[in-house]
Amino acid sequence: DTEVTQTPKHLVMGMTNKKSLKCEQHMGHRAMYWYKQKAKKPPELMFVYSYEKLSINESVPSRFSPECPNSSLLNLHLHALQPEDSALYLCASSQERSVNTEAFFGQGTRLTVV
Amino acid sequence: KQEVTQIPAALSVPEGENLVLNCSFTDSAIYNLQWFRQDPGKGLTSLLLIQSSQREQTSGRLNASLDKSSGRSTLYIAASQPGDSATYLCAAYGNKLVFGAGTILRVKS
Repeated sequence: DTEVTQTPKHLVMGMTNKKSLKCEQHMGHRAMYWYKQKAKKPPELMFVYSYEKLSINESVPSRFSPECPNSSLLNLHLHALQPEDSALYLCASSQERSVNTEAFFGQGTRLTVV
Repeated sequence: KQEVTQIPAALSVPEGENLVLNCSFTDSAIYNLQWFRQDPGKGLTSLLLIQSSQREQTSGRLNASLDKSSGRSTLYIAASQPGDSATYLCAAYGNKLVFGAGTILRVKS
């Protein structure tokens, strides 16, 4: 099983809403990642968790708040987003945040901020 | 700062052709390089992972090579099919995965 599951697949939210994106993997991976991808652009790293601890925050605005409740689950809490935050949000996992580990991606959540 | 470039940006070929996609990276201090496929509006599917100590990897009709010293990788697709139409992304892993902008491939039947 090399599956990373993201929910929901689509999300439309207003600028005053609070919502959460969810990511789950059952491969025993200890590194999990959030990426943001705008149309026709490559994915850009937002956050990295290693052994359930935040190890990289790529200077992401505080309206995005990640959480890793356990080794299988990664959440991204959203609050007071802007229309320019509309994008495909991708979750990924790898065995560890170290050498020679293959990254597996979910199908993404298509977020639209209105 | 690692920068990854992919050439060509787009490619259209008739079915059955063999083709090569190119990827270059500026910092050769990488642990591995990974090739992905992305269908429109979808997530990324891992195709091949080449570890830093390896020169190439093969999976079916796909063959990827890595030359760390020159900062280059190529993805070779043999006997292309319409189902291969997608965006192909390479990503270099140093302390994080850095992506190129991708090559949009269209295989015409």
